[in-house]
This record gives sequence, structure tokens and C-alpha cells, in this order.
Amino acid sequence: GDSVTQTEGLVTLTEGLPVMLNCTYQSTYSPFLFWYVQHLNEAPKLLLKSFTDNKRPEHQGFHATLHKSSSSFHLQKSSAQLSDSALYYCALSAYNAGAKLTFGGGTRLTVRP
Amino acid sequence: GGIITQTPKFLIGQEGQKLTLKCQQNFNHDTMYWYRQDSGKGLRLIYYSITENDLQKGDLSEGYDASREKKSSFSLTVTSAQKNEMAVFLCASSNRRGATQYFGPGTRLLVL
Repeated sequence: GDSVTQTEGLVTLTEGLPVMLNCTYQSTYSPFLFWYVQHLNEAPKLLLKSFTDNKRPEHQGFHATLHKSSSSFHLQKSSAQLSDSALYYCALSAYNAGAKLTFGGGTRLTVRP
Repeated sequence: GGIITQTPKFLIGQEGQKLTLKCQQNFNHDTMYWYRQDSGKGLRLIYYSITENDLQKGDLSEGYDASREKKSSFSLTVTSAQKNEMAVFLCASSNRRGATQYFGPGTRLLVL
């Protein structure tokens, strides 16, 4: 079946350092990949999603590149901000699953001054 | 734009009690979802519905019932609340494959 793995449950960084949150997936066919972000006491919301034509999606300084060869969609940002502290979910939309998403376990990012 | 509303915001129940959570969306989306969020376990799908009166089981459907009375609303029932249970239940909606899922603010459940 389809699955998403986020290896780090907790990541703590100092402000200004680069961010990289890992996401790998297993899916029979080429899926769409997403990153959702959930700030404290808020609902999860879409951060960015993969394109079908190898373009790199970017939003609020975050970017992610879909690498089909390694089945990965890691989230990156060049310089962490305090406001980036949140829970981040990687998710995939499988070819044969309609609109349903499969979520990873989530990574909690804490950025310290 | 649109919005998803969930009621109640907080729900305190007793062990063995049947508890119902409600969700409304005005996006006119076809598909609606119920997730359970526990610390360290991510978002686990309980039920989803691809149209009015349709129900599909997710990975965590045991112990829950759901009802899609109309396109805009989706209810979830905890059939028998478990003592000391504590979780957040999130409702979401979306349309076609690859589209964004929009989430509601959640219902926080505590069972005494």
C-alpha cells in the first residue's frame, strides 16, 4: 500500500540556520506530494505541493523537490525563523485513491533564538 | 473562499458514552474526511465520504460511526468513549485528486 515516512519526530534549530525536514514515500504509481503545516492551536493548512512537470514549488521561503528516483520530497528553507515553529506533515495523493491523502507521522519543528 | 466549522469545540464525556461531533463546510466540496490527531501519531483517517450518503472506512474506523446527511455536513460518532481518552478530531474537505484539503479547527475530546 501507499505510505509516507517522516524520520524525525522532533527537530530543534537555532534561528537563521537552514531547515531540512525529511519525507520519503512508497506508492505504486506517481503520486502528488504535499507539505501541510500546523501552528499551535490552529488547523493544518497547505504549505506547498508537487507539480507534475518537475518544477520546484515554493511558499513562504520553503521549497521541496520531488525526486522520483529516491521517492523523496524533503522540505527545505535556507534560514529558519521563530515563526516557523510548527508541526509539519508530508502527505501523498495516490493515483487510485481519489482525493484521499496518506499522511506521514509529522515532524515538530522548534526554532530557538 | 470557504470555511469549515466543527462543533463542539470541546467535548467532555464519560466512559461508555456515545458522543457525536459535527462538521459543516461551505466550499461545495464533494469529499469530506474525519481524522484523529494524537501526539506523536500524526493524522489518522477514521472515515471519509466522497458524496452525500456515501461512507468509506479509513484506517481507524473501529469504535466510530459516521453519517453524511447532505453534501455540506459530515458527522462522526464515538460509539463508546474510552476512559482517559484524549484526542483532537479534525474534519476536512476537498475535491479532485491532487487538490488541497481544507481543515476545520478541530474538536478536542476528553473522556473522564
